Amino acid sequence: SAVISQKPSRDICQRGTSLTIQCQVDSQVTMMFWYRQQPGQSLTLIATANQGSEATYESGFVIDKFPISRPNLTFSTLTVSNMSPEDSSIYLCSVGRGGRSGNEQFFGPGTRLTVL
Amino acid sequence: AQSVAQPEDQVNVAEGNPLTVKCTYSVSGNPYLFWYVQYPNRGLQFLLKYITGDNLVKGSYGFEAEFNKSQTSFHLKKPSALVSDSALYFCAVRDAPGANYGQNFVFGPGTRLSVLP
Repeated sequence: SAVISQKPSRDICQRGTSLTIQCQVDSQVTMMFWYRQQPGQSLTLIATANQGSEATYESGFVIDKFPISRPNLTFSTLTVSNMSPEDSSIYLCSVGRGGRSGNEQFFGPGTRLTVL
Repeated sequence: AQSVAQPEDQVNVAEGNPLTVKCTYSVSGNPYLFWYVQYPNRGLQFLLKYITGDNLVKGSYGFEAEFNKSQTSFHLKKPSALVSDSALYFCAVRDAPGANYGQNFVFGPGTRLSVLP
């Protein structure tokens, strides 16, 4: 398994501002993922973050809105830029484990964002 | 592309009774299937997975799931429900192994389980 922490755990922000969410893993991982969970909804993948390269974004998500950094193998950040109330969601980071562990993903506790 | 359906938004069960949370899937190849649980104000916790082998998979907290290829289902079960099992449950599927886990890892809409004392 993997132990994943996220900061902040929650925040209330004003429209038009930006928030950077940090994700720390207790071991080195190749790929980290950022998900969004809108109120009452399932998880939607925002992007895949590889160390040393640009993040890969899913359809409907763009780098200007959700810039991602991946400076090393245990850390990543997701910024939610120019926020609007529609960005109010839980944002989760995750890592994958492959090989004999069968590729399940392990998730951080999430960051609950409310935009006023 | 793969997809996951959880036909029930809400499942209510009395404590001590057996519970079932349903999941059906669609993939182009062999499925890798997963169940996750989300407690209030918490992240997702991995419960169990099916990769290959025995169709009955046992996981954390006394949960198990049965893979049924002909019915393309992977229902989550527990013989005796606890009030503490009340949470949001997500089924997930991916259709191929490989390094790029996230882009073909699809979650169902979730089922809220309420266990009544």
